[in-house]
Amino acid sequence: QQPVQSPQAVILREGEDAVINCSSSKALYSVHWYRQKHGEAPVFLMILLKGGEQKGHDKISASFNEKKQQSSLYLTASQLSYSGTYFCGTEMPGGGNKLTFGTGTQLKVEL
Amino acid sequence: DTAVSQTPKYLVTQMGNDKSIKCEQNLGHDTMYWYKQDSKKFLKIMFSYNNKELIINETVPNRFSPKSPDKAHLNLHINSLELGDSAVYFCASSRGQTLPGNTIYFGEGSWLTVV
Repeated sequence: QQPVQSPQAVILREGEDAVINCSSSKALYSVHWYRQKHGEAPVFLMILLKGGEQKGHDKISASFNEKKQQSSLYLTASQLSYSGTYFCGTEMPGGGNKLTFGTGTQLKVEL
Repeated sequence: DTAVSQTPKYLVTQMGNDKSIKCEQNLGHDTMYWYKQDSKKFLKIMFSYNNKELIINETVPNRFSPKSPDKAHLNLHINSLELGDSAVYFCASSRGQTLPGNTIYFGEGSWLTVV
């Protein structure tokens, strides 16, 4: 039931792009993306609702394909500050306010 | 001011002890949560309260007992601590019971180590 994220880990050089995928075995109502730096709390990035929407904030954007039960997070022109673990959180129809987090993707950006 | 604050931040205790973690949010949110993050970084929901009422109770041992004296506070009491309880416990809150459009805000976490 836990969404599966890929890749598990990725190392980038500053300025490179990355894509993080989140796949669910069940129908989704919404997908939330969070970033967690080491020793800190997860920090909200964005929410995507069903309808196949895309969202973006600065150089981080995301898409949600409800038919495929997948979401992808796109990081372009990565910066050192992008380093951390990225989690997708999924909500299922009728799931109330229960957010099930994915397996996580560790991203490290180097000079 | 910190939006979601929890205490203590670090807790080291012996097996068999009872301990509590306190959480307070000053965001005016109606819904609060406890999440557990294990050593593999898996983040799992334990409990959720809406306006002091328990609405989510995952398959958590009954040694864990949440208490919400009011909608701004959600405490977690753990009895007879076991080694496997070692983890980071995150308190969180959201505006309402329905998630779409409602962001979940996390506290800084409480690092529990059972020895």
